[in-house]
Amino acid sequence: GAVVSQHPSWVICKSGTSVKIECRSLDFQATTMFWYRQFPKQSLMLMATSNEGSKATYEQGVEKDKFLINHASLTLSTLTVTSAHPEDSSFYICSASFPGRGNTIYFGEGSWLTVV
Amino acid sequence: QQQVKQSPQSLIVQKGGISIINCAYENTAFDYFPWYQQFPGKGPALLIAIRPDVSEKKEGRFTISFNKSAKQFSLHIMDSQPGDSATYFCAAREGTDKLIFGTGTRLQVFP
Repeated sequence: GAVVSQHPSWVICKSGTSVKIECRSLDFQATTMFWYRQFPKQSLMLMATSNEGSKATYEQGVEKDKFLINHASLTLSTLTVTSAHPEDSSFYICSASFPGRGNTIYFGEGSWLTVV
Repeated sequence: QQQVKQSPQSLIVQKGGISIINCAYENTAFDYFPWYQQFPGKGPALLIAIRPDVSEKKEGRFTISFNKSAKQFSLHIMDSQPGDSATYFCAAREGTDKLIFGTGTRLQVFP
């Protein structure tokens, strides 16, 4: 079964509004989670590393004020897309490593964001 | 980001045939090499993974071959089935669980 869960699976929001995506590790604690973005027919691009209890680390070119990441507990990381615009429409995916399985990295089911 | 080069971009295989996808990397510090399978609209699902101290790993119809000196690794899908039709990504880990992905290979298996 799934070890990393994302919610919502898809969301439509109006331009200028903010939307939050949750990533949960199931049955294990994840001090670090990762957020990726994927455009259609393209590979996954790492956006940021979410660290429990501290600030996220963003990859070069990713706007930290636009993509707010909060990792408030050992099982939950959230990505908030602020003041969303149509170009933010994409597939957002999180991952976490499972210590009990040799740090195998699992991905969530992904969240489709459409900004209209 | 360090690159992981993946080929081919697309692959068409007849049912029962062998699908082979190749990846190459530069960073010798990578310590974990997973392969993920992704169906349209879904998140990547771990297929099989290998560490650099092993030259081959087999799980069912899926085999990873790893050549440390050449810095290359490949995925072989034996007896390919239409249900294997998906996009496959190789990846390499930098040691902090940060994965660097290849560009993906779209596999189509025809009956």
